[in-house]
Amino acid sequence: SQKIEQNSEALNIQEGKTATLTCNYTNYSPAYLQWYRQDPGRGPVFLLLIRENEKEKRKERLKVTFDTTLKQSLFHITASQPADSATYLCAPHASGGSYIPTFGRGTSLIVHP
Amino acid sequence: DGGITQSPKYLFRKEGQNVTLSCEQNLNHDAMYWYRQDPGQGLRLIYYSQIVNDFQKGDIAEGYSVSREKKESFPLTVTSAQKNPTAFYLCASSIRLQETQYFGPGTRLLVL
Repeated sequence: SQKIEQNSEALNIQEGKTATLTCNYTNYSPAYLQWYRQDPGRGPVFLLLIRENEKEKRKERLKVTFDTTLKQSLFHITASQPADSATYLCAPHASGGSYIPTFGRGTSLIVHP
Repeated sequence: DGGITQSPKYLFRKEGQNVTLSCEQNLNHDAMYWYRQDPGQGLRLIYYSQIVNDFQKGDIAEGYSVSREKKESFPLTVTSAQKNPTAFYLCASSIRLQETQYFGPGTRLLVL
């Protein structure tokens, strides 16, 4: 069955450093992958989408890579700030048919001042 | 001001009672979704709808029911058959199925 893996342990980093979060998937080939941010007690907010034919996507301090050979996406936040502290979810999407969207459990990021 | 709204923010259910969670969107999206999130867990899909008057079961539909009579509205009923309903419920919508989803603020359901 399809499986999405994100680090269950929280990532603690110092302000100003680059945070790198990992999303691994197995048993399917997503046409694109999305990253969302979720703050406690709130709904997820869409951040970035990267397609299978794109190696890298950037938006301000955010960068996403997508390696279809390794079946992995990396999410980077450069010059991290305490306000970046949240849980980050990845959602690989297959294409075609009535595919049901699936989200990873998310990784909690804590940026210390 | 476009968006997706859920009400109420908190909801209490007594044993054996059905409760309905509201979800409304004015984004003109065709697809809508309901997810359940338990502490430390990911999002689990309950039901989704591609278009008005159509909906499909997700991974954990047992004990839940939905309707999609209007494009803007996708209410979720948690029935008494759902034995462990305490959770955070999230509604989302997208232009079409599989497109980027936009989430509401969520409803936290507690059992008395």
